[in-house]
This record gives sequence, C-alpha cells and structure tokens, in this order.
Amino acid sequence: DGGITQSPKYLFRKEGQNVTLSCEQNLNHDAMYWYRQDPGQGLRLIYYSQIVNDFQKGDIAEGYSVSREKKESFPLTVTSAQKNPTAFYLCASSADRAGQYFGPGTRLTVT
Amino acid sequence: GDSVTQMEGPVTLSEEAFLTINCTYTATGYPSLFWYVQYPGEGLQLLLKATKADDKGSNKGFEATYRKETTSFHLEKGSVQVSDSAVYFCALTQAGGTSYGKLTFGQGTILTVHP
Repeated sequence: DGGITQSPKYLFRKEGQNVTLSCEQNLNHDAMYWYRQDPGQGLRLIYYSQIVNDFQKGDIAEGYSVSREKKESFPLTVTSAQKNPTAFYLCASSADRAGQYFGPGTRLTVT
Repeated sequence: GDSVTQMEGPVTLSEEAFLTINCTYTATGYPSLFWYVQYPGEGLQLLLKATKADDKGSNKGFEATYRKETTSFHLEKGSVQVSDSAVYFCALTQAGGTSYGKLTFGQGTILTVHP
C-alpha cells in the first residue's frame, strides 16, 4: 500500500538535545511538507520541499532544519534553538493540485 | 496573501442531525479547495476536494460545492453519526510556481456528535 510513514509515534527528549523526526513516502510525490500542530490550533508550515536537494522555509522555520537527499525521505531536525518544541508534528506529500496526503504524526515532548 | 476562514466551533450535534460547517476563502486566481478530517491523535485525512468553480466534492456522505461568486466551500452532511466526531479543516492550494501544492489551512472546527 502507498502512503506516508512517520516514526516514532511518540518521542521524548530532554531540553537542549537535538532530535530528528523521520518521514518516508512511497507515493512517488515530488513535494513534501512538515507542519506543527499545537493543542486546539490549526497547522503551521515549518518547511517544504518541491524537489530533491531543494527546500524552502515555511512560516515557522526558526529552530528547525531539514534535508531532502532522496525523493522518498524528508527528515526534520528539531534543534535546541527551538524555544517551545513540544508539539504534534505532521509530515505530508503532494503531487500538484491533488491535495496533500498526511502521515500519522509524531508527538514530541521535551522536558 | 491567501487565507481561509472557518466557522468557530466547537459544534455539538445529536446523531442524525444535519451538519453545516462554513468555510470562506480569499485567494487570487482559481485555487483548488479541500476538506480534511482529523480524528483524535491521528494525522489529517483528505475528505473531499474541488478543483474548479461549481464542482461538488463528495465522500462518505459529506458534500461541499465550490462557489466562486461567494468564495465559499461549506461542508454539509445530511445525517451525522457519532463516528463523525473529529476536527475538520478547510484548505486551499494554488498550482504552480513557488506555491506548488502548498496548502493554506483554516483554523479547524471541532465537531462532537452525541448519541
């Protein structure tokens, strides 16, 4: 079955540590996205990539970094510079105007 | 820039009631419009979409019609079930250029359906 996988589902880290969230897709989509969702709020775009080896900042990129070395993979690193990293992180991919398809999300808790 | 505005929730209904969640948008050109649904603790699922004016998207008993004259894409269902309880997001995308596939979301509407 085609789809998007995110791992792990729950992630716990200590403050000051960098952490990398995984996102893999086998839909053959060119574009991939990372969103952050906080309780009771909508989605905010962190980074997106339209093609391998290229990516753009979204609305809240500070404290985050990404890479796009393969079409199928778009990992997100939450760095220690991110002041409030505890959130639900969603990865998505898309092909043109067909809409985005989302992974199940990773819930990150930093204490 | 583009924006999407949804009716504020939460919306609470009894089973078999009629559902409307309002969505209006501001955008240049001819965006594609979407409704997504998010169940507790999960990612978003594409519920339905419409890519041009007067198109009607439908899925699982839900419907929405792309109204360019009123810049609206209201979500409706004739008879809701308890299992429809979720958060619903309206969204749009512009094709091509630097906004390739990039979605603009509304703030989401929480729907709770009681037996």
